[in-house]
Amino acid sequence: AQSVSQHNHHVILSEAASLELGCNYSYGGTVNLFWYVQYPGQHLQLLLKYFSGDPLVKGIKGFEAEFIKSKFSFNLRKPSVQWSDTAEYFCAVNDRTGKLIFGQGTTLQVKP
Amino acid sequence: DTGVSQNPRHKITKRGQNVTFRCDPISEHNRLYWYRQTLGQGPEFLTYFQNEAQLEKSRLLSDRFSAERPKGSFSTLEIQRTEQGDSAMYLCASRPSGTSQETQYFGPGTRLLVL
Repeated sequence: AQSVSQHNHHVILSEAASLELGCNYSYGGTVNLFWYVQYPGQHLQLLLKYFSGDPLVKGIKGFEAEFIKSKFSFNLRKPSVQWSDTAEYFCAVNDRTGKLIFGQGTTLQVKP
Repeated sequence: DTGVSQNPRHKITKRGQNVTFRCDPISEHNRLYWYRQTLGQGPEFLTYFQNEAQLEKSRLLSDRFSAERPKGSFSTLEIQRTEQGDSAMYLCASRPSGTSQETQYFGPGTRLLVL
């Protein structure tokens, strides 16, 4: 069965610090990988997604993620975080039906 | 607003009561998904529809839960004889049928509290 693991449950950073959130998945076949973000009081929104091709994908708001097949990883990065990046971040993989399997989520708190 | 909408946004009920939630997907999205999210966890899949057909149900969906999408547009999720363990955020998402690469768009969720 597919599963997704996010290593960091709660991350606290100061503004301008660099961010890297870990995500590992287990799935033997072709994967589609996603990062979703949930800002306080808002619904889940797509940050970025990977299907194939260039393993470094760029998303909205300066986020990027790198797919490393050999490590079954899809880590999220941002060079310089802002207070407005405070949110909960979810990594997910989907199966052939399209349903999403999410990790536990990482709460990011950015101090101004 | 052409996004996914869910009603009600909040529901407080007493144990043993029945509750029903509604989801209105983005128009022309054939696929509709229901998820449940509890505190400190990521959303967990419950069920999904392709048009009006319910194609998959998770083992999380006990026989007290039923979902419908009668005309292939909006969907309802009913929980009968609610239990305190049903307290959670219930999320709805929709997407075009297409390939598995299509993005799912989420609604704001219905937060259920069972007393």
